[in-house]
Amino acid sequence: DTAVSQTPKYLVTQMGNDKSIKCEQNLGHDTMYWYKQDSKKFLKIMFSYNNKELIINETVPNRFSPKSPDKAHLNLHINSLELGDSAVYFCASSQESSGQYFGPGTRLTVL
Amino acid sequence: RKEVEQDPGPFNVPEGATVAFNCTYSNSASQSFFWYRQDCRKEPKLLMSVYSSGNEDGRFTAQLNRASQYISLLIRDSKLSDSATYLCAVGPNEKLTFGTGTRLTIIP
Repeated sequence: DTAVSQTPKYLVTQMGNDKSIKCEQNLGHDTMYWYKQDSKKFLKIMFSYNNKELIINETVPNRFSPKSPDKAHLNLHINSLELGDSAVYFCASSQESSGQYFGPGTRLTVL
Repeated sequence: RKEVEQDPGPFNVPEGATVAFNCTYSNSASQSFFWYRQDCRKEPKLLMSVYSSGNEDGRFTAQLNRASQYISLLIRDSKLSDSATYLCAVGPNEKLTFGTGTRLTIIP
């Protein structure tokens, strides 16, 4: 009955690899997000989608490509991983002015 | 000036005490305000929204001061379980900017 779920929880990979993170929400929310939280705990928005349409794309390298197959899912694909991509990636969802609800996070370590 | 600023702390407070944090924001047009708590190695969890008239939820009180552009969180009768990092979030709801958080430790 998890509201916002992400897989995998941990991801350890070599530099240069391509990886994907999946997110699903069962709250019926229209908007979903990807955030990156770095080692200094700064939580920064990367993308947001509303009803499968991209509405926010912050200055993120184009190695990062989000995809929303439907409004309950938002995936993140990362090409050519770099050391600086190591962080915790959080998915979130919201509905109107309700505040955002976060998934448990994916801890990505690039070696 | 940063968009959203918080005192990083740490705040070390004895159990049962009252503690308050502030969060300042730079965009006077901001409409949505929230407090989140984040435990170590966990996701941020929505604690409460902040309304113009102020709002209370049990031991927690949130207030908004638009003139001075800050929000506050007051925790009364603090419990050991209140130990966490408290993040403020400001913006339009669809593009929140988060503060870097204030770390709170409640001491027995």
